[in-house]
Amino acid sequence: AQSVTQLDSHVSVSEGTPVLLRCNYSSSYSPSLFWYVQHPNKGLQLLLKYTSAATLVKGINGFEAEFKKSETSFHLTKPSAHMSDAAEYFCVVSEAGKSTFGDGTTLTVKP
Amino acid sequence: EAQVTQNPRYLITVTGKKLTVTCSQNMNHEYMSWYRQDPGLGLRQIYYSMNVEVTDKGDVPEGYKVSRKEKRNFPLILESPSPNQTSLYFCASSLSSGSERYNEQFFGPGTRLTVL
Repeated sequence: AQSVTQLDSHVSVSEGTPVLLRCNYSSSYSPSLFWYVQHPNKGLQLLLKYTSAATLVKGINGFEAEFKKSETSFHLTKPSAHMSDAAEYFCVVSEAGKSTFGDGTTLTVKP
Repeated sequence: EAQVTQNPRYLITVTGKKLTVTCSQNMNHEYMSWYRQDPGLGLRQIYYSMNVEVTDKGDVPEGYKVSRKEKRNFPLILESPSPNQTSLYFCASSLSSGSERYNEQFFGPGTRLTVL
């Protein structure tokens, strides 16, 4: 069985400061891991995905995530937050057709 | 334009009145899936389909049916809706969920369903 835990339900940062959204997972096999973003009243958009080619994954809009197998983590980071980053973020693990979403982290960016 | 479409986008209905939410994709994707999104619970998978005529239960299949008679369509059927099925529903598709493990899902715009 697989599971995802997003460690923070809400994160608030000031514009221009770093962002860290934490995700831990459990999976029976080598996982497929993704981060999606959902802006208010919008659909879901892929930020980045782990493909096993590299443990540090670069995504859109300056986001990155590092896969750490020993810690079963896939934390999302961005060096400098922008107001447009305010949204809900979901960490997802997929395996053999089943996809499990974390409960989501709401990112607030203060001016 | 490559996309996943859902209809209707908004629906208010009453308990027990059968309804169908349609989902269609134009990307020739093998894999399709339905999710419901409720506040604080993320998205939970209802059913998924690896290919035509192949469907499997997700984490919350009770009260829902699906069918996959053709590759592009994956309708979600609520035979007897109840108020606890009031939710935001998303359909998604992906190139494959078999040997290519890293294919991301493309999501439709969502259907907001209210059951009174």
